[in-house]
Amino acid sequence: LAKTTQPISMDSYEGQEVNITCSHNNIATNDYITWYQQFPSQGPRFIIQGYKTKVTNEVASLFIPADRKSSTLSLPRVSLSDTAVYYCLGFDRGSTLGRLYFGRGTQLTVWP
Amino acid sequence: DSGVTQTPKHLITATGQRVTLRCSPRSGDLSVYWYQQSLDQGLQFLIQYYNGEERAKGNILERFSAQQFPDLHSELNLSSLELGDSALYFCASSPYNGGENTDTQYFGPGTRLTVL
Repeated sequence: LAKTTQPISMDSYEGQEVNITCSHNNIATNDYITWYQQFPSQGPRFIIQGYKTKVTNEVASLFIPADRKSSTLSLPRVSLSDTAVYYCLGFDRGSTLGRLYFGRGTQLTVWP
Repeated sequence: DSGVTQTPKHLITATGQRVTLRCSPRSGDLSVYWYQQSLDQGLQFLIQYYNGEERAKGNILERFSAQQFPDLHSELNLSSLELGDSALYFCASSPYNGGENTDTQYFGPGTRLTVL
């Protein structure tokens, strides 16, 4: 399973686009890159998942280059409510186990 | 609301005691996962059950045990509690059945355990 590295914290202002980059140099063929969001004292919430190139949903976009050694979560026009911890995970679709491995995540703080 | 419920929301107890945390998964989900989140260790996987059977173990102490019942709800039992067991305990569920791992996990609101 891929070990991921991401910045400990980031700051932004309302209305700006935020890009959080995650490094996963040893990503395996079966690993899908998955991002979760966690607000204080709440359980993590799935945001987006992708294998390569670009994935977009109503919440975010995920960019994964061809070598898949990194990925970037893009949050368009953030608001104060986007202040949370964001986790980048390697999700092994080939495994018979469904568990998730969470790192320390990135604390995003959005300022007015 | 993820559809996963956990009780109690808060639990305060003393060292050496035993507590039981309860989780009801989303309707139809067969897999249940337990995670522990503490300030110094982050979010750690403890154990997974699928349709009543233990599927995988993570960093779960021998003092801790879990089970999943026929109605698919799950309980996490923590015994001989120590100060260091104080943490948020999350339950998650997914439809995942051991095949291709495409399913996301849905987390409950957590139980905050404080050991005094």
